[in-house]
Amino acid sequence: QTVVTQEPSLTVSPGGTVTLTCALSTGAVTSGHLPNWFQQQPGQAPRTLIYNTNNKHSWTPARFSGSLLGGKAALTLSGVQPEDEAEYYCLLLYGGSWVFGGGTKLTVL
Amino acid sequence: QVQLVQSGAELKKPGASVKVSCKTSGYTFTDYYIHWVRQASGQGLEYMGMISPKTGDTNYAQKFQGRVTVTRDTSISTAYMDVSSLTSDDTAVYFCARELRGGHFDHWGQGTLVTVSS
Repeated sequence: QTVVTQEPSLTVSPGGTVTLTCALSTGAVTSGHLPNWFQQQPGQAPRTLIYNTNNKHSWTPARFSGSLLGGKAALTLSGVQPEDEAEYYCLLLYGGSWVFGGGTKLTVL
Repeated sequence: QVQLVQSGAELKKPGASVKVSCKTSGYTFTDYYIHWVRQASGQGLEYMGMISPKTGDTNYAQKFQGRVTVTRDTSISTAYMDVSSLTSDDTAVYFCARELRGGHFDHWGQGTLVTVSS
């Protein structure tokens, strides 16, 4: 069974920088896996931040960026704000279907 | 503006089926795939399946094949997800989401709580 792994939790100080990663159990993540990143606040629907590795939506704050890093998909937040405290999920296309990572709980402290 | 509006909460008994709708507006329904995702309380997102509204073609995560059916009605720009043989493990919030071909996810529905309890 294909597993997509994210850090379960990360903590960052306000104004700091943090990178969340998304790894595939079968090998390196590439642009062909069409990585997407979503932010979910408690009790809300997910919100799409990044699509196709590094593309932002009009509503995505400039401090969020997506990339490939060391065989993983990555989401970097630069200049973290208190409102960035949330759960973050990656989504990869694999074997003709989509698979979510387990999510990263980001704490801003 | 683009909207995906889902049907209301459901309470079902074990063994029953549930059908959740995702009514879209603000764009051409057949230009975007519709995906279904669920989330049990306190758990992560789980991918279920998708439909191409243009062709009616569907694709399901292996776990849900045979028990989940995704359909659409292009006349009212609405997608549906039917889950059969419900158990308590199916208690979750179900979301629909839109994708432009090529992995371009954007808008999501507000979610529908399905509770399975005797």
